[in-house]
Amino acid sequence: AQRVTQPEKLLSVFKGAPVELKCNYSYSGSPELFWYVQYSRQRLQLLLRHISRESIKGFTADLNKGETSFHLKKPFAQEEDSAMYYCALATNFGNEKLTFGTGTRLTIIP
Amino acid sequence: KAGVTQTPRYLIKTRGQQVTLSCSPISGHRSVSWYQQTPGQGLQFLFEYFSETQRNKGNFPGRFSGRQFSNSRSEMNVSTLELGDSALYLCASSYQREGGYTFGSGTRLTVV
Repeated sequence: AQRVTQPEKLLSVFKGAPVELKCNYSYSGSPELFWYVQYSRQRLQLLLRHISRESIKGFTADLNKGETSFHLKKPFAQEEDSAMYYCALATNFGNEKLTFGTGTRLTIIP
Repeated sequence: KAGVTQTPRYLIKTRGQQVTLSCSPISGHRSVSWYQQTPGQGLQFLFEYFSETQRNKGNFPGRFSGRQFSNSRSEMNVSTLELGDSALYLCASSYQREGGYTFGSGTRLTVV
């Protein structure tokens, strides 16, 4: 069975400092990984997905199959980045199910 | 375009009752998934529908059921409510998984 682990429940970073939110997964096949973000009093929204290899709001994430990781990074944190971040994994095509990590609450200190 | 719409936003029910939640996906999205979010268990997959067929089901008891209509709107039903069913129930729709899933604001169910 697949599993997603986000080891940090809480993470505080100073404004302007680099941010890294960790995500490790367990799945024997070829996964699709996503990062979702939930800002205060807003709905869960897609931040980025590994297949697109895009940068959204300055965030990037690289899938490392050797280390089974999909860490989320941003070189310079901004106050508006404070939010709850969830890493999620989808498995075989046609199996439209997301397995979520427990989330990391990121707080940017001004 | 309109996002994923869930109704009602809030519900308070008594143990033993049943409840029906509704989800209207983004126009053109045929896949609709349901998730339960609780502080203790986080986000857990309930089931997914595509073209009126349930394709996947999570590890929830049979009291949790759902359906999808020909216009892709979906409902989920929980019968014989228990206190532990108190949660935020989220609906998500997608056109293609590569595009990701768009979530609704959720229905917060409180069982007393």
